[in-house]
Amino acid sequence: DAGVIQSPRHEVTEMGQEVTLRCKPISGHNSLFWYRQTMMRGLELLIYFNNNVPIDDSGMPEDRFSAKMPNASFSTLKIQPSEPRDSAVYFCASSYRALEAFFGQGTRLTVV
Amino acid sequence: AQKVTQAQTEISVVEKEDVTLDCVYETRDTTYYLFWYKQPPSGELVFLIRRNSFDEQNEISGRYSWNFQKSTSSFNFTITASQVVDSAVYFCALSVSNSGYALNFGKGTSLLVTP
Repeated sequence: DAGVIQSPRHEVTEMGQEVTLRCKPISGHNSLFWYRQTMMRGLELLIYFNNNVPIDDSGMPEDRFSAKMPNASFSTLKIQPSEPRDSAVYFCASSYRALEAFFGQGTRLTVV
Repeated sequence: AQKVTQAQTEISVVEKEDVTLDCVYETRDTTYYLFWYKQPPSGELVFLIRRNSFDEQNEISGRYSWNFQKSTSSFNFTITASQVVDSAVYFCALSVSNSGYALNFGKGTSLLVTP
């Protein structure tokens, strides 16, 4: 398996633009997680899905953030409109139940 | 609520020294899982180890060893004979079933190993 695949690896966008981050989890994993990493806040959970269903989105900072998982092999995290404070590295991870989560390479987002 | 504390923000050692990274956790759940991840300068997060709350056996994997003590709510990580390639940020994390096994991370410890 190729592991968790995220795209794009880097994204630079202007404030106010819509940003869509993509994730392909490992086949057979039933949980998918979106994390954000910043120097100030460290690694924080944004949302997670079990069997494609969003379970807890309490970590999503604002209504500008939304996430979907239309099927077991694809998820998106969308920010609309983006703001400079959204600049961070966004990680997607997948796991099977309580087993270890495997992370994608991350998307480094810069909003100018 | 779950909490993971890594009190050491940065550690610097000279190659071949042994180094221990501390991790203290808090949870009211009786079943939980503890993890260590490594984040090298390239930025990816690499899984190192997972332990469940019922297994307090210490584990050794090459130069790496882990000491899990429920009595002190600690899950410490020791690197023996450190190498420059060990330079990275190391994260301790906790998961429980009622949060979907989502990882709750500590702030991380940045380890610098110099020649």
